[in-house]
Amino acid sequence: GENVEQHPSTLSVQEGDSAVIKCTYSDSASNYFPWYKQELGKRPQLIIDIRSNVGEKKDQRIAVTLNKTAKHFSLHITETQPEDSAVYFCAARSSGGYQKVTFGTGTKLQVIP
Amino acid sequence: DTAVSQTPKYLVTQMGNDKSIKCEQNLGHDTMYWYKQDSKKFLKIMFSYNNKELIINETVPNRFSPKSPDKAHLNLHINSLELGDSAVYFCASSLTSGGADEQYFGPGTRLTVT
Repeated sequence: GENVEQHPSTLSVQEGDSAVIKCTYSDSASNYFPWYKQELGKRPQLIIDIRSNVGEKKDQRIAVTLNKTAKHFSLHITETQPEDSAVYFCAARSSGGYQKVTFGTGTKLQVIP
Repeated sequence: DTAVSQTPKYLVTQMGNDKSIKCEQNLGHDTMYWYKQDSKKFLKIMFSYNNKELIINETVPNRFSPKSPDKAHLNLHINSLELGDSAVYFCASSLTSGGADEQYFGPGTRLTVT
């Protein structure tokens, strides 16, 4: 089955700096890679996603890149703000049958004002 | 409000008891999921139903039994609760037939077994 590794597990940045979270996946058949943000005590919510036919996607201050050859993808947050503080999960979904989404282990991002 | 809702939000119970968590979505989605999030925040899928049919059944003790009476509901019954069952349980839903991929999560049920 799919295995998703996520690094780092914790990340502290100064407000205004950039943050990068990296994930690797094992199943070359995976074709969809979402990122979820979970604020303290709240539910996970999708913030951005990318499909395997695209190398990069941006949405305002967040961007995701995908390297299919190396089987890794990354989340980039620029000009970080205190409200970006949360746990971020990467995930990968395989293409066959009923596609199960496998989540990474999460990165706790702290933005220091 | 259109959403995924769960009841109860908090559940405190003793070892050995049986409890149920209910989930409902009014988004018109065809697939529903149960996830377990432990104290380390790991999100692990437990079950998934598509149009009331069980399609994903991970390595979960058979004390956990999901039931989907219709496409909008997915309940989770847990027998003989153990200390290790303490976690936050999230229900989620998605519309897989429409090609949409986003999973919408419920607010979670924090289960504490004492």
